[in-house]
Amino acid sequence: QQPVQSPQAVILREGEDAVINCSSSKALYSVHWYRQKHGEAPVFLMILLKGGEQKGHEKISASFNEKKQQSSLYLTASQLSYSGTYFCGTEVGFQKLVFGTGTRLLVSP
Amino acid sequence: EAGVVQSPRYKIIEKKQPVAFWCNPISGHNTLYWYLQNLGQGPELLIRYENEEAVDDSQLPKDRFSAERLKGVDSTLKIQPAELGDSAVYLCASSSGQGASGNTIYFGEGSWLTVV
Repeated sequence: QQPVQSPQAVILREGEDAVINCSSSKALYSVHWYRQKHGEAPVFLMILLKGGEQKGHEKISASFNEKKQQSSLYLTASQLSYSGTYFCGTEVGFQKLVFGTGTRLLVSP
Repeated sequence: EAGVVQSPRYKIIEKKQPVAFWCNPISGHNTLYWYLQNLGQGPELLIRYENEEAVDDSQLPKDRFSAERLKGVDSTLKIQPAELGDSAVYLCASSSGQGASGNTIYFGEGSWLTVV
């Protein structure tokens, strides 16, 4: 039931782009994306609802393909502050959010 | 606006001892969650409250874990007795409205538990 994220880890140089994928075996109501830095709370990035919408937040955007039960997070022109672990949270049943395995991102100067 | 507040931030206890964690959600948020996060893993739901009612506690190990939200605001999560495998971060979160669909879940900084 836990969604699978890929890649597990990625190292970027500042300014490079990255894509993080989230795949579920269950039908999804919505997908939530969070970033967590070590020792800190997960910080909300965005929610994508059913309908295949794509959202953007500055240089971070995401897409949601409900038919494929997949979501992707796009990080453009990465900054040092983007480093952390990214989690997708999939709503597999109404009001039931299950978090993915996490993707560790390191942006170096 | 204050975020989700948790205490204590860190706790070290010996196995078989009890421990309790407290959470104050964002003002006005009627949905409160307790999550467990092991090192390097995503958060796992333990229990979800809608106001005072525990609407999803299917993942809560009820033999040693208990939770309450008596007045529909603050919540307490208790472990008694603690085991070595309970060492983890216990995250409290809250959201407005009912459930997660379309509602942002805001997390506290967590209570780090080490059982020795």
